[in-house]
Amino acid sequence: LAKTTQPISMDSYEGQEVNITCSHNNIATNDYITWYQQFPSQGPRFIIQGYKTKVTNEVASLFIPADRKSSTLSLPRVSLSDTAVYYCLVGGGSSNTGKLIFGQGTTLQVKP
Amino acid sequence: NAGVTQTPKFRILKIGQSMTLQCTQDMNHNYMYWYRQDPGMGLKLIYYSVGAGITDKGEVPNGYNVSRSTTEDFPLRLELAAPSQTSVYFCASSSGLAGGPGRGEQYFGPGTRLTVT
Repeated sequence: LAKTTQPISMDSYEGQEVNITCSHNNIATNDYITWYQQFPSQGPRFIIQGYKTKVTNEVASLFIPADRKSSTLSLPRVSLSDTAVYYCLVGGGSSNTGKLIFGQGTTLQVKP
Repeated sequence: NAGVTQTPKFRILKIGQSMTLQCTQDMNHNYMYWYRQDPGMGLKLIYYSVGAGITDKGEVPNGYNVSRSTTEDFPLRLELAAPSQTSVYFCASSSGLAGGPGRGEQYFGPGTRLTVT
């Protein structure tokens, strides 16, 4: 069963790039890695998903090394509105259907 | 398109009472999920469904039951509520791309805050 580990909190300043790493040593072959953002009193919101190497969309990049035992979410040029909790989610591959494991979350505080 | 809706938003239960948390999605998604989130923690999967009539256990199913009679609805039943079930409950859905429920974006509802005293 994949267990995910993230830093509890991070601080940054507006305009900086932020990298949040998630460790998932027991990831299964078919598992995907997904990152979500959550604001207080709201449900999580999808940011990005990947399986291996690098994925980029309009808001973030996801870096996954060859052994897939970790992943790094990169947020370019953060703003105050990026202050939130960020979760990595691992699992749910075709051979691991019921195992969707969220990390404990990283609280990102962006300062002016 | 309302997305995923959940009712009620808040509920207080006494120990031993039962209730059903409602979840509806209007995106014609095959996959639906129930999670619980305890304070300061990540979400834990309770049950999930890959389509009408098909449900399966997640990481923390004890004390809960689900059913999926239609594509749109996925209610979560709590029988004999206990203080340990005090949590925020989130329902989610996804389209169910090939590769399992872990693939693709999950759309979350706004949550139900449940207190058992």
